Amino acid sequence: QLQLQESGPGLVKPSETLSLICTVSGGSISRSNYYWAWIRQSPGKGLEWIGSIYYSRSTYYNSSLKSRVSISVDSSKNQFSLKLTSVTVADTAVYYCARPPQGSNSGYWGQGTLVTVSS
Amino acid sequence: DIQMTQSPSSVSASLGDRVTITCRASQGIGTWLAWYQQKPGKAPKLLIYDASSLQSGVPSRFGGSGSGTDFTLTISSLQPEDFATYYCQHANTFPPTLAFGGGTTVDI
Repeated sequence: QLQLQESGPGLVKPSETLSLICTVSGGSISRSNYYWAWIRQSPGKGLEWIGSIYYSRSTYYNSSLKSRVSISVDSSKNQFSLKLTSVTVADTAVYYCARPPQGSNSGYWGQGTLVTVSS
Repeated sequence: DIQMTQSPSSVSASLGDRVTITCRASQGIGTWLAWYQQKPGKAPKLLIYDASSLQSGVPSRFGGSGSGTDFTLTISSLQPEDFATYYCQHANTFPPTLAFGGGTTVDI
């Protein structure tokens, strides 16, 4: 059974960089036909896709965040990570990592981690 | 970009009711549609993937249907634990983008 777990600081100051890691267990992140994603949910709001990465390290980002987002993979640690630069209070949210359902295959999500942007 | 539109945004229902939530895609997406249930303070829980495949462990009172642009989530007989917010999600393969519906809250 695949499991995903987010980790990283719960508090980030405005204008600084938010950095999170997703550790995958129960399966290899390098399996070629899946991609991995970061999603966030601001307090009381809906779900927002941040970006995705394939095993090949091809990345795709939400156009509204593209200038500030970077996603990378560390296959040796079975992890992928998120960096969001120049954060503001509007970036306060619960951040989830996931392997979304793809084609006829099921999906998996982490439990989420709350990141608060505040001085 | 593909847009996902859910309706209604909220629905009031009683125990035992049949509840139907719809999701419409701005262009055809085949059957690449998932449904999630989310309760306050919890991560979304996958209910249905590939439009109609029931995730392991999910009660059979949940059902999904549709293809192309129009999809439906049906709860056949509402139980107390079903009061929650439901989201549809499209996962494109290439490019690997995700699109979520705005959510439907099911309350008493």
